[in-house]
Amino acid sequence: DIVMTQSPESLAVSLGERATINCKSSQSVLYRSNNKNYLAWYQQKPGQPPNLLIYWASTRESGVPDRFSGSGSGTDFTLTISSLQAEDVAVYFCQQYYGAPYTFGQGTKLEIK
Amino acid sequence: EVQLVESGGGLVQPGGSLRLSCAASGFTVYNYWMSWVRQSPGKGLEWVANMKQDGSEKHYVDSVKGRFTISRDDAKNSLYLQMNSLRGEDTAVYYCARGLEQVPPAYGAFDIWGQGTRVTVSS
Repeated sequence: DIVMTQSPESLAVSLGERATINCKSSQSVLYRSNNKNYLAWYQQKPGQPPNLLIYWASTRESGVPDRFSGSGSGTDFTLTISSLQAEDVAVYFCQQYYGAPYTFGQGTKLEIK
Repeated sequence: EVQLVESGGGLVQPGGSLRLSCAASGFTVYNYWMSWVRQSPGKGLEWVANMKQDGSEKHYVDSVKGRFTISRDDAKNSLYLQMNSLRGEDTAVYYCARGLEQVPPAYGAFDIWGQGTRVTVSS
């Protein structure tokens, strides 16, 4: 199974500042045949299910604000929130869908400093 | 509105069974890969099972193989998870989720989630 490791486990950022969350996979999730990274990011607020933010490592889901961006390739990925808003307080998960079993990172809790 | 609504969770003794249901609205489940994903404090988010549009493929995480069965009722536009021989480690909130339709296929990512149903396995 592919192990997904996120860092940091928690993060406190001031409003309007940049937040960066890292995700590392135990093996590459890049399909050479189509040059796609099978990596997604989700946001989960208390009492709610996860919400898809990013897929293909860098494609924003419809309706997701453009302050959210994803980058990286192969085994190392980053979710960046360019200017933190109060409503961005949540837990963020990365997930690989390169192959079953699809696996998630342990989550990064983002708070306001 | 596109949504998924789970039901069927509850408290069950170890070794018992439960059947979870997931009713879809706003879209047709047989047009999508559909999955069950669970979340527990100890193990985080864990994909459990999925099913292809035509039902020809079903996949499970190793820890539930032989105990859980995913199925679908197209007339009711619903997805199910039959859970047998339940263990304490199956305690979690169970979500049904829709696979993302993309080219190339991205059915292992999930764009629509239900609110979840809680399963507690305890004596």
